[in-house]
Amino acid sequence: AQKITQTQPGMFVQEKEAVTLDCTYDTSDPSYGLFWYKQPSSGEMIFLIYQGSYDQQNATEGRYSLNFQKARKSANLVISASQLGDSAMYFCAMSRMDSSYKLIFGSGTRLLVRP
Amino acid sequence: DVKVTQSSRYLVKRTGEKVFLECVQDMDHENMFWYRQDPGLGLRLIYFSYDVKMKEKGDIPEGYSVSREKKERFSLILESASTNQTSMYLCASRDRGSVYTFGSGTRLTVV
Repeated sequence: AQKITQTQPGMFVQEKEAVTLDCTYDTSDPSYGLFWYKQPSSGEMIFLIYQGSYDQQNATEGRYSLNFQKARKSANLVISASQLGDSAMYFCAMSRMDSSYKLIFGSGTRLLVRP
Repeated sequence: DVKVTQSSRYLVKRTGEKVFLECVQDMDHENMFWYRQDPGLGLRLIYFSYDVKMKEKGDIPEGYSVSREKKERFSLILESASTNQTSMYLCASRDRGSVYTFGSGTRLTVV
């Protein structure tokens, strides 16, 4: 069975500093996708970044980068130059690459950016 | 932009009522999903569908059923609402490019 683990329920970071949110996963499927979503207090789920299991390079999207270590089964999110608007819940998720395309989530990390 | 629309933002229902949560997407996506979100538990998959009239149980299907009669609409049904079904419910759909789009959620309170 697939599983996503986020071990940091809450984190603080100083504005303009970088922060790493941890995510480990467990799967026996050779093909899968890894995602990070942001959920501000408004409740919407905002897609941040995607990494395919066969992608050779780590994904980057603006200030977001995904530190993908396949052998360690980790997919940490790095946010550079934190901004106050980055304060939110962050979810790591994994999808299967079969007809179901089930997307399963970790329990989330609440990030608070301090001015 | 793809839109996933959930019919209600907030709902209050009584114990024992039959509750329908509606989700509509406008981009002809085949895969649709229903999740519930509870503090400390993240999003848990209730049911999903990969085609019209096709549905499969997720991780926590007990107390729920679903209906997908048309491709664009995926309904979650609480046959007899209970207080432990008070939660935030999120619908999502997926395109062929691995992009999952979420609705804005329905916060259901069962009293």
